[in-house]
Amino acid sequence: GGIITQTPKFLIGQEGQKLTLKCQQNFNHDTMYWYRQDSGKGLRLIYYSITENDLQKGDLSEGYDASREKKSSFSLTVTSAQKNEMAVFLCASSIQDRGRAEQFFGPGTRLTVL
Amino acid sequence: QQQVRQSPQSLTVWEGETAILNCSYEDSTFNYFPWYQQFPGEGPALLISISSVSDKKEDGRFTIFFNKREKKLSLHITDSQPGDSATYFCAAPPGNYKYVFGAGTRLKVIA
Repeated sequence: GGIITQTPKFLIGQEGQKLTLKCQQNFNHDTMYWYRQDSGKGLRLIYYSITENDLQKGDLSEGYDASREKKSSFSLTVTSAQKNEMAVFLCASSIQDRGRAEQFFGPGTRLTVL
Repeated sequence: QQQVRQSPQSLTVWEGETAILNCSYEDSTFNYFPWYQQFPGEGPALLISISSVSDKKEDGRFTIFFNKREKKLSLHITDSQPGDSATYFCAAPPGNYKYVFGAGTRLKVIA
């Protein structure tokens, strides 16, 4: 088995602030994902990385940057936090499979912007 | 544009009843549908999945029924237990490496 660790668990920021969320996995998976989860809206894909040194935009990439520092870690940066923004950011990983790989999720980082 | 739709948004059943969660999609090229279960404070976890070549997939108390012609699926949870209280997401792969998720159904099972 393996585990996905997300830090921090809770993140409080100020409007306009640049904020970084980190994700580590020990599954030795090639592919990693960042999702945003808003109440009542399901999971929306922000960025994903098929393999180390790869970066792909999802449907919600505007306002975010990502970095795949090494195979086991994937970071997400909120470039300018929006006032009153509240969401959960979920990191996931999977084997490199073109269509049906199970995604394993971390517990999430809960963002609040004051 | 929602590619995967779920209903109802929330559902309450009594312990022992069968909970029925619905999912529909628009893109006829979707051929694989995983269902994820998420407990409060945790990330989603794969519960059960079905390929479009099947019309039914069963795993214990959890069964997916798939109607390809109508582009609809349903997840049936028989003998519902309070421990099944969670949010359930239907998903589909619109392309390589990624999934699109529905908005989820929040299930509450009352003892």
